[in-house]
Amino acid sequence: DSGVTQTPKHLITATGQRVTLRCSPRSGDLSVYWYQQSLDQGLQFLIQYYNGEERAKGNILERFSAQQFPDLHSELNLSSLELGDSALYFCASSQRGTAFNEQFFGPGTRLTVL
Amino acid sequence: QKEVEQDPGPLSVPEGAIVSLNCTYSNSAFQYFMWYRQYSRKGPELLMYTYSSGNKEDGRFTAQVDKSSKYISLFIRDSQPSDSATYLCAMSASVAGGTSYGKLTFGQGTILTVHP
Repeated sequence: DSGVTQTPKHLITATGQRVTLRCSPRSGDLSVYWYQQSLDQGLQFLIQYYNGEERAKGNILERFSAQQFPDLHSELNLSSLELGDSALYFCASSQRGTAFNEQFFGPGTRLTVL
Repeated sequence: QKEVEQDPGPLSVPEGAIVSLNCTYSNSAFQYFMWYRQYSRKGPELLMYTYSSGNKEDGRFTAQVDKSSKYISLFIRDSQPSDSATYLCAMSASVAGGTSYGKLTFGQGTILTVHP
């Protein structure tokens, strides 16, 4: 158990809908990362927050948004869902959020868009 | 072309074999090199990391980085059935004041099966 929690574990929804994925980092970690894992693209970085502020952005679609709250938990919002958004979404956390700072991954949320 | 290319496998070896996993990359800014292990239906967990070129050993695992060739390897000695998992290489760059902080770029992953 990495200490990072993600809810829900599974999510099944329809195209065009909006969902929110939630992540609680390990105690003491200030940085949260979101990654998307799919069979064709592999594990891809979406976005990083550090202590409530956006730190880095990757291949995140405009339909996706995220935020980190004062209690350091984070939410990833996915809207106007498409079939291609079906994937595993991982949250990771680290203490400092610098170039090498071990990232601990949560168990992931499996999103299925029908 | 992807920034990080990883031999896709899958790889199937007998117990006790030496396993070699490899990745190549194109971004010269990468300075931190990691190997993650991911069991089925779990999140990735860090196995080893290396800064810049060189070797690092931890028990049955050895990580090698050759920055001149932009090539990294993970060797597993005396492989065990419990090593059966997907192995992902990952890299990050240190860019002061830039937008690369913390971002990991992963290879596609190699599925390894060690059979008794």
